[in-house]
Amino acid sequence: EPEVTQTPSHQVTQMGQEVILRCVPISNHLYFYWYRQILGQKVEFLVSFYNNEISEKSEIFDDQFSVERPDGSNFTLKIRSTKLEDSAMYFCASSKWGPRGLEEPGNTIYFGEGSWLTVV
Amino acid sequence: ILNVEQSPQSLHVQEGDSTNFTCSFPSSNFYALHWYRWETAKSPEALFVMTLNGDEKKKGRISATLNTKEGYSYLYIKGSQPEDSATYLCAFIGTGANNLFFGTGTRLTVIP
Repeated sequence: EPEVTQTPSHQVTQMGQEVILRCVPISNHLYFYWYRQILGQKVEFLVSFYNNEISEKSEIFDDQFSVERPDGSNFTLKIRSTKLEDSAMYFCASSKWGPRGLEEPGNTIYFGEGSWLTVV
Repeated sequence: ILNVEQSPQSLHVQEGDSTNFTCSFPSSNFYALHWYRWETAKSPEALFVMTLNGDEKKKGRISATLNTKEGYSYLYIKGSQPEDSATYLCAFIGTGANNLFFGTGTRLTVIP
């Protein structure tokens, strides 16, 4: 079974520090995503990435956030200056085709196990 | 922001019982409805993707139905087993934004 891997599984950081969360999507996938879940709240979309650029982003994904695919295998989420309210589980996901193709057989979105970020 | 709601928030059932829970979503601009199963400390796993009104999908003891006109989907589990214990998430995709809008999830605990 293919899998999306994320590191670190848990990170504690001081407010104001920069954090980079790393993801290795499935190798033949073309679409990459970051979602997050603040404790007790819904899973929220942050950003999607396709063809080396941001495809779509939510209001949450402000100038403090950036994504990169530096080397063709990793997909990273950077938070420049963390705030307390950034504490959440961050999920990376990937799919072969975009979200509107996920109903097609063989096109599934795969999620990683998440990275817990705690900002203190 | 789209309103996707799930009920109940949590549910305890005895092993062998059948159960069901609900996802409600906007009935306009519908594209697809997803169901995911998310076990603690694991990644969410796709169960179903449903696009057509009246659609019914089945995977083993788990099935789902879809009513796009009234904006709801039911997930059914027949003869619950302890390994079914997980959070079940639904997610909506509309014809506008090209991303998933998740519900809060239903946390199912099956008691042996």
